[in-house]
Amino acid sequence: DAGVTQSPTHLIKTRGQQVTLRCSPISGHKSVSWYQQVLGQGPQFIFQYYEKEERGRGNFPDRFSARQFPNYSSELNVNALLLGDSALYLCASSRQGTDTQYFGPGTRLTVL
Amino acid sequence: DQQVKQNSPSLSVQEGRISILNCDYTNSMFDYFLWYKKYPAEGPTFLISISSIKDKNEDGRFTVFLNKSAKHLSLHIVPSQPGDSAVYFCAASRRRGTGTASKLTFGTGTRLQVTL
Repeated sequence: DAGVTQSPTHLIKTRGQQVTLRCSPISGHKSVSWYQQVLGQGPQFIFQYYEKEERGRGNFPDRFSARQFPNYSSELNVNALLLGDSALYLCASSRQGTDTQYFGPGTRLTVL
Repeated sequence: DQQVKQNSPSLSVQEGRISILNCDYTNSMFDYFLWYKKYPAEGPTFLISISSIKDKNEDGRFTVFLNKSAKHLSLHIVPSQPGDSAVYFCAASRRRGTGTASKLTFGTGTRLQVTL
């Protein structure tokens, strides 16, 4: 089975721009979570979606938003980009009834 | 407030010896713990997990030990192999019991180098 996929792999934006990151979960997984990892730190939780509903939100500003589609894929949107938004954005999926999350390869966002 | 701590930024071990990676947590509500391995330019790969109702879980060369009273867990890799060289993250969650996985709180990682 294919793992979690994310696109694009890399992205370069300038301050003030907007970005959309995409994620497809493992087949059969209905829950998708987003994490931000900055250099030297562990991933930080941003959002979780299950059955198209938001189930959790981390300590991130309203510039960050997400949604989940009927096929369980998900998008993360970040508006008004700041230099500090430069990070690796990770998507993870999990199967209903389990507690283990499986991560995709990430999208490396650079804000100039 | 760092609820999950990995106090050793790096560890070097000879091939064939045991690697022991440590993790401490402060939130007593955490009841599920995971270890992930991460190579550069890749996402974290799930290794092994343990529920708070257990104190040990094994999977091949990997064993995780949980000491709830000390709020401490460790990952043992025996024998260590050069391909194990990576950054290892400890993560913790509080189970919802509603069928969906809860958010993970990660430590800052330990870089393991297995030398020949």
